[in-house]
Amino acid sequence: DAKTTQPPSMDCAEGRAANLPCNHSTISGNEYVYWYRQIHSQGPQYIIHGLKNNETNEMASLIITEDRKSSTLILPHATLRDTAVYYCIVKGNNDMRFGAGTRLTVKP
Amino acid sequence: SAVISQKPSRDICQRGTSLTIQCQVDSQVTMMFWYRQQPGQSLTLIATANQGSEATYESGFVIDKFPISRPNLTFSTLTVSNMSPEDSSIYLCSVEETSSYEQYFGPGTRLTVT
Repeated sequence: DAKTTQPPSMDCAEGRAANLPCNHSTISGNEYVYWYRQIHSQGPQYIIHGLKNNETNEMASLIITEDRKSSTLILPHATLRDTAVYYCIVKGNNDMRFGAGTRLTVKP
Repeated sequence: SAVISQKPSRDICQRGTSLTIQCQVDSQVTMMFWYRQQPGQSLTLIATANQGSEATYESGFVIDKFPISRPNLTFSTLTVSNMSPEDSSIYLCSVEETSSYEQYFGPGTRLTVT
């Protein structure tokens, strides 16, 4: 079973920051938080991952709370091409299990 | 990042037949995974396939229905046996990059069973 909780859908205006929340209150000390997105009919695309420190790459920023029970994925300047289903995943040593994700719709 | 290809990209099959899906990676990886994504649903892990050992299947999936081969560090196959319309899904191959622990996904195989 997935160990994360995400809102089923969110809207964001084009050019604004999209902040996608995720709760993972049962996360263990050695488990990472991963974010993927899936654009219609394509395989999931890796975005970012982190353990306890905030992370940033060319696609997004990941903010993890100090108690690690929740995190937020930030797309700083959302574009129409960022419309997708975003999955927050808690991953330990091996396999990766997906929850229902958040369907983000970026609107003009 | 690892580049993954799958064959076929899509197929339409008749009930009772079998289809073998191939997954090829451009680098050597220890861990490969097979997922299923039914229409409108999230991804469900079918099995983990590590080179040199038997595949490990998740609850609800059995080897007789979804036999997996992992002959080397860059290739794996998943067979969907004795297909029924309920097997109509997208089947995705995934690998964990050994150096970064990042997991990447192939483009998927869209299977329709009539």
